[in-house]
Amino acid sequence: KAGVTQTPRYLIKTRGQQVTLSCSPISGHRSVSWYQQTPGQGLQFLFEYFSETQRNKGNFPGRFSGRQFSNSRSEMNVSTLELGDSALYLCASSNTGTGGSYEQYFGPGTRLTVT
Amino acid sequence: AQSVTQLDSQVPVFEEAPVELRCNYSSSVSVYLFWYVQYPNQGLQLLLKYLSGSTLVESINGFEAEFNKSQTSFHLRKPSVHISDTAEYFCAVHTGNQFYFGTGTSLTVIP
Repeated sequence: KAGVTQTPRYLIKTRGQQVTLSCSPISGHRSVSWYQQTPGQGLQFLFEYFSETQRNKGNFPGRFSGRQFSNSRSEMNVSTLELGDSALYLCASSNTGTGGSYEQYFGPGTRLTVT
Repeated sequence: AQSVTQLDSQVPVFEEAPVELRCNYSSSVSVYLFWYVQYPNQGLQLLLKYLSGSTLVESINGFEAEFNKSQTSFHLRKPSVHISDTAEYFCAVHTGNQFYFGTGTSLTVIP
């Protein structure tokens, strides 16, 4: 099976702009989670989508939003970018649910730099 | 809410020496436990997991971790490290339909 793919891999944006990141999960996985990774903060959970519905949400401002499509692909949007949004954004898919293995499979991430 | 604590942010160790990376979590109610490894400029890769059964789990590259329910710990160990083990290691807990990650431990193997 193909792994989790994320596009783009690198992105440079200016403060105030908005950005959309994309994630394609492993085939058959219905759960997609997004994380923000910064030095010293580790992985901070943004949100999780399962079957097109947001199932869990972390403690991030409303500028961070996401959605999931019927094919389980997910997008994450950040509006009005701030310098502090510079980070590696990781997407992970899993087969959570009855009979699922519960483990998460991570994509390579999108490195966002806000100038 | 669940919390995962990795007390050691950085662990330097000489090549071929043993190492232990510590992980504690806050609640023992129905948890699944994981260790992930992240090499530079890459995403996270699953190293090993505990879902049920034997409390000692092993990875293919010599790491092992033991689930200790009474101490709510899931420490990662390796008897002899290699240069190639230099990476960031994350402990994770799955409970209540959500994953919780620790802040990571940077393992540096010194030649």
